Amino acid sequence: SAVISQKPSRDICQRGTSLTIQCQVDSQVTMMFWYRQQPGQSLTLIATANQGSEATYESGFVIDKFPISRPNLTFSTLTVSNMSPEDSSIYLCSVAGRRNTEAFFGQGTRLTVV
Amino acid sequence: KNQVEQSPQSLIILEGKNCTLQCNYTVSPFSNLRWYKQDTGRGPVSLTIMTFSENTKSNGRYTATLDADTKQSSLHITASQLSDSASYICVVSGHYAGGTSYGKLTFGQGTILTVHP
Repeated sequence: SAVISQKPSRDICQRGTSLTIQCQVDSQVTMMFWYRQQPGQSLTLIATANQGSEATYESGFVIDKFPISRPNLTFSTLTVSNMSPEDSSIYLCSVAGRRNTEAFFGQGTRLTVV
Repeated sequence: KNQVEQSPQSLIILEGKNCTLQCNYTVSPFSNLRWYKQDTGRGPVSLTIMTFSENTKSNGRYTATLDADTKQSSLHITASQLSDSASYICVVSGHYAGGTSYGKLTFGQGTILTVHP
């Protein structure tokens, strides 16, 4: 299993500002994933972050809005830029287990934009 | 389009009672199906994982079934407890994507279970 620590656990931010969410894993992993969970909705994949290369973004998500860093095999950050109230969501970091049989999630960052 | 649909959207039961949550999927090709429990303010935690050849799998009071022919799964909770109050998410993994060993996940919208004393 993998233990994932996400910071901050929650934040209230002013519109137009940016927030960087950190994700720390207790073991080395090749791929890390960032999800958004809007109120009452299922998880939506934002991007896949590989160490040493640019993140791969899903349709509807762009690097300018959600820049991602992956400096090593245990850490990643997601920045929510130029925030608006529509960005109010839970943001989750995830890693895959071996042989695609498991996914582990951080506790999430609950973001409220006012 | 790959989809996972869960029913009911929400459910209220009394403590000690049993309940069954449903999941229908159209993900293809199929790799495995997972049920997760997500407590309020927490990330999802895995309950069960089933591959194509598995029909049923238990984890304590949680029993999941899978019918790969009809593409349906259920999660049965026995003798519910107050701590079972959470969102239960059905997640289907497709086969490997982009040459990696990771299959893209398709999430259901979840069933919100509330257990009352």
